[in-house]
Amino acid sequence: DIQMTQSPSSLSASVGDRVTITCRASQSISSYLNWYQQKPGKAPKLLIYAASSLQSGVPSRFSGSGSGTDFTLTISSLQPEDFATYYCQQSASTLRTFGQGTKVEIK
Amino acid sequence: EVQLVESGGGLVQPGGSLRLSCAASGFAFSTYWMSWVRQAPGKGLEWVAIIKQDGSEKYYVDSVKGRSTISRDNAKNSLYLQMNSLRAEDTAVYYCARDHSNRLDYWGQGTLVTVSS
Repeated sequence: DIQMTQSPSSLSASVGDRVTITCRASQSISSYLNWYQQKPGKAPKLLIYAASSLQSGVPSRFSGSGSGTDFTLTISSLQPEDFATYYCQQSASTLRTFGQGTKVEIK
Repeated sequence: EVQLVESGGGLVQPGGSLRLSCAASGFAFSTYWMSWVRQAPGKGLEWVAIIKQDGSEKYYVDSVKGRSTISRDNAKNSLYLQMNSLRAEDTAVYYCARDHSNRLDYWGQGTLVTVSS
């Protein structure tokens, strides 16, 4: 199975900060990488698909990049509503797998 | 509007069984792969199972393989997860999600399964 490793596991940031979260796959997954946001008590929400495509309705301050094994989610200017947990997920294999999550907290 | 509504969760004893359901509406259910994803209390997301549009292909995470069966009824726009030999570590919120072009683009609100004596 393909293992996904996110870093950091958590981070503290202020409103307006630029935030970067990384995700590494245990083998090449081309661009089959998605990013989700989850707030407490809510279902996950798709933000980025195919490594860099913005899901409809998602603010443009979110962006994704990478291919192969190394990927990045960037929030260009952190907003109060962005404090949440973020997960990467690979879909190169039918056996989908998620990263362990990155919790973005208020500094 | 796309909607996914899970049901069937609850409290079950270790070794017991449970059947989760997911009612889909607002899209052509029979044309999409569908997945189950779970989240143990305070933990991250874990993908559980996936089924092809016609039910001819099914895949599972190792931790539930042999104990769980994913199925669907396209005439009823419904997805199911039959879980047997339940263990404490199966305690989680279970989400159904539409798997569209290799991304989980719509999710239900989840149903809680608690395995405890």
